[in-house]
Amino acid sequence: GQNIDQPTEMTATEGAIVQINCTYQTSGFNGLFWYQQHAGEAPTFLSYNVLDGLEEKGRFSSFLSRSKGYSYLLLKELQMKDSASYLCAVSGYNKLIFGAGTRLAVHP
Amino acid sequence: DSGVTQTPKHLITATGQRVTLRCSPRSGDLSVYWYQQSLDQGLQFLIQYYNGEERAKGNILERFSAQQFPDLHSELNLSSLELGDSALYFCASSPSGTSGITDTQYFGPGTRLTVL
Repeated sequence: GQNIDQPTEMTATEGAIVQINCTYQTSGFNGLFWYQQHAGEAPTFLSYNVLDGLEEKGRFSSFLSRSKGYSYLLLKELQMKDSASYLCAVSGYNKLIFGAGTRLAVHP
Repeated sequence: DSGVTQTPKHLITATGQRVTLRCSPRSGDLSVYWYQQSLDQGLQFLIQYYNGEERAKGNILERFSAQQFPDLHSELNLSSLELGDSALYFCASSPSGTSGITDTQYFGPGTRLTVL
């Protein structure tokens, strides 16, 4: 079976750094995606990791350790518009399985 | 704007009814995926079509069915609707048939279905 765990909610301060963790157990692994979703809107692609290590893309970075079944999304220089849900999704066997998402609230 | 379009944006109907949701993928994408997102819940994968053929199936109810047409647009049919079917239904598309290396899924704006 497949299982993906993320914290339900996190809060952070504008300008700070926040790390959102994701652990997974899956049969078949083709990569791990992070999506951002504002309430009532479509998920938008943030990052993709297939090999171990850190992928940096502007203010967002994503890390993967396949042996540990672990990933994190790092958001730097937080802005109010970063308040959203962040979805970890594992790809395998032609399916993208999403975690329940982490709701991040950024406050001034 | 992801390039994926979905219609209608909102749909309100009664229990027992049947509705059809429509999705047009990004230009050049061959795969279409359907997801359901209920209030405060994660995205649940329903079904995938690749170039007209069913490719993968998730937790899709027997009351639900989908198809992909030769022009690659897709329709999700929901029948004998129940209150619990109220949700956001998203369509996503990707270039090829596997959610694998570099094959990112791009999501449409969704259809909000309300069953009264």
